Amino acid sequence: EAQVTQNPRYLITVTGKKLTVTCSQNMNHEYMSWYRQDPGLGLRQIYYSMNVEVTDKGDVPEGYKVSRKEKRNFPLILESPSPNQTSLYFCASSFGGRETQYFGPGTRLLVL
Amino acid sequence: GENVEQHPSTLSVQEGDSAVIKCTYSDSASNYFPWYKQELGKRPQLIIDIRSNVGEKKDQRIAVTLNKTAKHFSLHITETQPEDSAVYFCAASLNSGGYQKVTFGTGTKLQVIP
Repeated sequence: EAQVTQNPRYLITVTGKKLTVTCSQNMNHEYMSWYRQDPGLGLRQIYYSMNVEVTDKGDVPEGYKVSRKEKRNFPLILESPSPNQTSLYFCASSFGGRETQYFGPGTRLLVL
Repeated sequence: GENVEQHPSTLSVQEGDSAVIKCTYSDSASNYFPWYKQELGKRPQLIIDIRSNVGEKKDQRIAVTLNKTAKHFSLHITETQPEDSAVYFCAASLNSGGYQKVTFGTGTKLQVIP
């Protein structure tokens, strides 16, 4: 089954404790992206990747890191989480930036 | 960078009526405009999209129009049904130096009243 998976789905952590949210797709998509969703602000792009080893900042990259060592995986790293990073995070993938994006199920993060 | 504004933020319509959601974008280099539907507690899913070389696209009860001169695009849903109730997001994909960045609007919560 073609899908985008994210783990964990729910996470409660404390300020400053490094965490990684994994994202994996099995559709051989080149384009992958991370978004955060906050009430009233819609979906905001954090980082995106055009292909392996090619990444660029989205609109809200501060406090986040990404890497794209393999085509199927695009982890999101929060090296020192802060409460303002409490949000719902979505990973998405597509064949290109001008193609349908397929979203993962979301990761709800609470930073205390 | 790109800025996408979406209106209205909430919309209530009677079942069977039409619904229109409008978005404007700021950067003329944007060349792809998708619309996503997000039901409560679920992930966004594409419902229709339009590219910059097309003015209108239809898919059954859903249509999207694009006015490149005015930099706005709209989603039209006809004969609305209760299952159309959801949050709808527009987006603009901007080509910049070979990179393709996507900016979403803030969403429209559509309620279809039976």
